[in-house]
Amino acid sequence: DTAVSQTPKYLVTQMGNDKSIKCEQNLGHDTMYWYKQDSKKFLKIMFSYNNKELIINETVPNRFSPKSPDKAHLNLHINSLELGDSAVYFCASSRISEGNTIYFGEGSWLTVV
Amino acid sequence: KQEVTQIPAALSVPEGENLVLNCSFTDSAIYNLQWFRQDPGKGLTSLLLIQSSQREQTSGRLNASLDKSSGRSTLYIAASQPGDSATYLCAVGGGADGLTFGKGTHLIIQP
Repeated sequence: DTAVSQTPKYLVTQMGNDKSIKCEQNLGHDTMYWYKQDSKKFLKIMFSYNNKELIINETVPNRFSPKSPDKAHLNLHINSLELGDSAVYFCASSRISEGNTIYFGEGSWLTVV
Repeated sequence: KQEVTQIPAALSVPEGENLVLNCSFTDSAIYNLQWFRQDPGKGLTSLLLIQSSQREQTSGRLNASLDKSSGRSTLYIAASQPGDSATYLCAVGGGADGLTFGKGTHLIIQP
């Protein structure tokens, strides 16, 4: 059983398009995150949602909009894609009351051409 | 703002050696510290989690220590094997703020 699953795993799209990456966790966690790993392999948090409420919104362009329809889902929508958006995007989740072990999805490789 | 530094950035050793990877962080107010492994083109595999109240955790040939007061952690790998070759990431934080990652140590174990 996959704990944190994200789709698609690979996505190649043209500049200017709008795309979404979906994430679901079946762990009953109350907090979900999106991380970005850039071309230099550096991982950085983008967003954090706790019980469907936005907690963290790092310095991310407003072309990126997370949406959390319920506590088990946190989707990432990206508008007007740019070449610099090419990266690996990781979804993660945790339950703060359980020592906050964070579980990561397998990543979504986004390539903008 | 939390900053995490990992030393060395890259390491290449012969098979069988014991080795230590270092991680330091600037803000000791953390929930926990996690060590991850990442293989090329793959996701993150959690290796060890140390809660802020703990000093160390062990799993097989891996041992991680945490000195929160000095902002340091080490990952000790005993009897290294070629299969240990990967990038090792240290991350601190926890809570709704998520994790702050270091830039990783790229480890190569020579057969």
